[in-house]
Amino acid sequence: QLQLQESGPGLVKPSETLSVTCTVSGGSIITSYYWDWIRQPPGKGLEWIGSVHYSGSTYYNPSLKSRVTIYVDTSKKQFSLKLSSVTAADTAVYYCARHWLDRSKPFDYWGQGTLVTVSS
Amino acid sequence: QTVVTQEPSFSVSPGGTVTLTCGLTSGSVSTSYYPSWYQQTPGQAPRTLIYNTNIRSSGVPHRFSGSILGNKAALTITGAQADDESAYYCALYMGSDIWVFGGGTKLTVL
Repeated sequence: QLQLQESGPGLVKPSETLSVTCTVSGGSIITSYYWDWIRQPPGKGLEWIGSVHYSGSTYYNPSLKSRVTIYVDTSKKQFSLKLSSVTAADTAVYYCARHWLDRSKPFDYWGQGTLVTVSS
Repeated sequence: QTVVTQEPSFSVSPGGTVTLTCGLTSGSVSTSYYPSWYQQTPGQAPRTLIYNTNIRSSGVPHRFSGSILGNKAALTITGAQADDESAYYCALYMGSDIWVFGGGTKLTVL
């Protein structure tokens, strides 16, 4: 059974760079899937941040694109998110997820999420 | 910028039927947007209910169904149960490998 597990610092200072990592277990990261980051501010809805393919191809939410980098480390079966110049508005639960290259298929596996708070 | 719209909240009686919708501030939702629906209870990760407009994910009860109604995607729950009380999110494919989630609908069963 595929499992995704997020890890992150928990607390980041304003203007700094947020970094979170997702570790994939129970399956390969070198597959016909995209690996995604999705976030949810407390009490609010879901926001797709972006995705990466094991080949290194990336796709980003246009509203976040200038601050986001997503990359994959196949040797560690991990993919990571970096979000620069954070503010309190970036406080959220950050989920990693997987979706198929076939866009008719869904985000089918999700991690449990990690809360990142932006505060001085 | 096009925004994906959902009803902020909805209420249904136990055993009743409710239809939640997923629209666009500009344009109509069609099957080409590959609408999918996710259920989320507090403190949990979302769970996939419906994808590609009307295909139920594995293990999802038959009381959940998806469709296109008019210019929106729709999620219908027929015979609502107490444990259907959750937040429901739609996701749409916007082209160029970009996805957008709706703001979510909080469903109350009472």
